[in-house]
Amino acid sequence: NAGVTQTPKFQVLKTGQSMTLQCAQDMNHEYMSWYRQDPGMGLRLIHYSVGAGITDQGEVPNGYNVSRSTTEDFPLRLLSAAPSQTSVYFCASSYSTWGIYEQYFGPGTRLTVT
Amino acid sequence: AQTVTQSQPEMSVQEAETVTLSCTYDTSESDYYLFWYKQPPSRQMILVIRQEAYKQQNATENRFSVNFQKAAKSFSLKISDSQLGDAAMYFCAYSIQGAQKLVFGQGTRLTINP
Repeated sequence: NAGVTQTPKFQVLKTGQSMTLQCAQDMNHEYMSWYRQDPGMGLRLIHYSVGAGITDQGEVPNGYNVSRSTTEDFPLRLLSAAPSQTSVYFCASSYSTWGIYEQYFGPGTRLTVT
Repeated sequence: AQTVTQSQPEMSVQEAETVTLSCTYDTSESDYYLFWYKQPPSRQMILVIRQEAYKQQNATENRFSVNFQKAAKSFSLKISDSQLGDAAMYFCAYSIQGAQKLVFGQGTRLTINP
């Protein structure tokens, strides 16, 4: 199993540009999430999905869109990048055992918006 | 809203010694889970240990153990016999039962001195 994969690993955007961060998992996990990591703030939840076709907002959803057309993929879209979106982005997938979610994280994407 | 606080931005310890990282959290829930994640320079998030709130016994994983004080809402991580490979950022995280959403603390950077 490749686990959770993210592409690209690094990206530089200009303000106003759009892009999609890709996330895929091959563990057949129902649940997938996107987090951003900023210095001194830990990771914060952007959006999450409990299955194909079902998504919901996390703590910091503004400026980001997601969709989940398949179990394997959960892309994160930035429609109009802003410098405040400079961050490291982590995708995670998880499964539930008796209500406990075991989260598996991807390697992260470092995004810089100039 | 649930919050997780790590009051030690940085810690250092001599190799082979013991170090304790602190974490406090705020919640009104009775069923929840607490986690410690390790993030080495590779950026990969690695689950170190997990504690279920309903369990009185403190979780242990090899050299890693926790001191869970439910009434005080405290969840510290003890690393025994510190090794150079333990150097990393450590994040405390919380989730309520049945929810895949993790709430993270700000992180503690641990340095191991040879």
